[in-house]
Amino acid sequence: EAQVTQNPRYLITVTGKKLTVTCSQNMNHEYMSWYRQDPGLGLRQIYYSMNVEVTDKGDVPEGYKVSRKEKRNFPLILESPSPNQTSLYFCASSAYRGLVYNEQFFGPGTRLTVL
Amino acid sequence: SQQGEEDPQALSIQEGENATMNCSYKTSINNLQWYRQNSGRGLVHLILIRSNEREKHSGRLRVTLDTSKKSSSLLITASRAADTASYFCATDTDKLIFGTGTRLQVFP
Repeated sequence: EAQVTQNPRYLITVTGKKLTVTCSQNMNHEYMSWYRQDPGLGLRQIYYSMNVEVTDKGDVPEGYKVSRKEKRNFPLILESPSPNQTSLYFCASSAYRGLVYNEQFFGPGTRLTVL
Repeated sequence: SQQGEEDPQALSIQEGENATMNCSYKTSINNLQWYRQNSGRGLVHLILIRSNEREKHSGRLRVTLDTSKKSSSLLITASRAADTASYFCATDTDKLIFGTGTRLQVFP
């Protein structure tokens, strides 16, 4: 089954404790991205990756890191989480060819609370 | 800054009625996509309409695109309680940018 998986689905942590949210897709997609969703603000892109070893900042990258060592995985790293990073996070992937964004496949989301 | 702005922000209708949501954008696009999100879940792709297309259908969904007015509409016909969700447009420029969504409530 074609899917994007994220782990963990729920996480409560404390300020400053490094954490990683994993994202994996099994569709051989080139493009992967991370979004955060907050009430009234819609989805805001954190980072994206066009392919292996190619990553770039989205609209709200501060406080986050990513890596793309393999095509299927795109982990999101919070080196020193703060309460303003409490949010619902989504990973997404899609085929990307010819400078056109195709249908995005979203993971189920990770609800993060930073105390 | 938001590229796609949905209108209305919220919509309540009875089962069987049609629901229309609009999306306006500011710059030229390659395509425009509509997504659905059930509460707290991941977004699910509904329809992609390319900049050279004017209308597309998928089941009870009808999407129109007017590039001269920089707007798109999503029509859900004969709505059902199960259509209750948030609906987002996403515009493909040099980035894919999502709007803030329309929250649709369908009452049985």
